[in-house]
Amino acid sequence: QKEVEQNSGPLSVPEGAIASLNCTYSDRGSQSFFWYRQYSGKSPELIMSIYSNGDKEDGRFTAQLNKASQYVSLLIRDSQPSDSATYLCAGDQFGNEKLTFGTGTRLTIIP
Amino acid sequence: GAGVSQSPSNKVTEKGKDVELRCDPISGHTALYWYRQSLGQGLEFLIYFQGNSAPDKSGLPSDRFSAERTGGSVSTLTIQRTQQEDSAVYLCASSLARWVGSTDTQYFGPGTRLTVL
Repeated sequence: QKEVEQNSGPLSVPEGAIASLNCTYSDRGSQSFFWYRQYSGKSPELIMSIYSNGDKEDGRFTAQLNKASQYVSLLIRDSQPSDSATYLCAGDQFGNEKLTFGTGTRLTIIP
Repeated sequence: GAGVSQSPSNKVTEKGKDVELRCDPISGHTALYWYRQSLGQGLEFLIYFQGNSAPDKSGLPSDRFSAERTGGSVSTLTIQRTQQEDSAVYLCASSLARWVGSTDTQYFGPGTRLTVL
């Protein structure tokens, strides 16, 4: 069973600080990874995708991928109360397009 | 352009009844996925359609669940003889799937909240 694991949290971070979300995966064949944000009662929306080892930055968000260690992380700089949500990590499965989702980390930004 | 749409947004049904949930993917997206999300849980994969290929039904929890996709566009998820444990939010997603083996971003619809009494 291929798995994507996340700490369920809740993770509480003061406003303005850096929030760090982590994810590990078991399928060594996974090539593509995605971070989705899900507000309570809403559907997931894409925050970042990452396909290569290293860092990828987009505004206040940085995704990091380390295929040798099989982990993916998401950093949120200058955290805002509007960042409070559940963050889902997902990785593809070798040979097909299906995504395996983690159970999500609930993030709360404290004003 | 328009995103993924789903209907109905909410469905309340009695145990034992059949329900149909509909998904309209983003125009031009060849891949379509159904997921189920129970309260406070992650996304559970149900079924995946890609172009004209046979669907991947490996996630369907029982033979009461079925889905079809007509004309490579709209999809319907049918749950027969609903049970209380079927209560969840059913999410549909679509992606471009530009080439075989690629993994494009999945865009989610707003979901259908199913409550089985």
